[in-house]
Amino acid sequence: EAQVTQNPRYLITVTGKKLTVTCSQNMNHEYMSWYRQDPGLGLRQIYYSMNVEVTDKGDVPEGYKVSRKEKRNFPLILESPSPNQTSLYFCASSFSAGANEKLFFGSGTQLSVL
Amino acid sequence: AQKVTQAQTEISVVEKEDVTLDCVYETRDTTYYLFWYKQPPSGELVFLIRRNSFDEQNEISGRYSWNFQKSTSSFNFTITASQVVDSAVYFCALSEEETSGSRLTFGEGTQLTVNP
Repeated sequence: EAQVTQNPRYLITVTGKKLTVTCSQNMNHEYMSWYRQDPGLGLRQIYYSMNVEVTDKGDVPEGYKVSRKEKRNFPLILESPSPNQTSLYFCASSFSAGANEKLFFGSGTQLSVL
Repeated sequence: AQKVTQAQTEISVVEKEDVTLDCVYETRDTTYYLFWYKQPPSGELVFLIRRNSFDEQNEISGRYSWNFQKSTSSFNFTITASQVVDSAVYFCALSEEETSGSRLTFGEGTQLTVNP
């Protein structure tokens, strides 16, 4: 089954404790990205990747890191989480970076930073 | 810069009523794409529709229909004879050919509650 898999589904952590949210897709998609969803703000892009070893900042990249060492994986790293990073996170992928491409989303990761 | 506005934060209807979700967008690109996604209580994002800026034909899919009007920069979504299973957050989104590629700019979302 074609899918984007995120883990974990729920995560509670404390300020400053490094964490990684994993994302993997099995559709051989070139384009992958991370969004965060906050009430009243919709979804905002954090980082994106056009292909292996090619990443760039989205609209709200501060406090996050990403890497794309393999085509299927695109982990999101929070080196020193803060409470303002409490949010619902979504990984997404598409076949290419075209504007007409439909994004496939993971199931989301609800992160709480205490 | 691109922007999507969904002015209706929450809508509550009774089952079988028709309901329209509004979406207004701003863009400077001549080629762009508009999307609607549904987010049910389980949390995942479900793709509903994609339209390009050169195709203003309205589209109907079962109880769902979409009205795209470039003159008013709107892409409204209507659910006919709503059902409880339609309860969800609905997002309108925009991508631009020249400036954003696959990056979607989302609206704030509209929480639709359909009561039995």
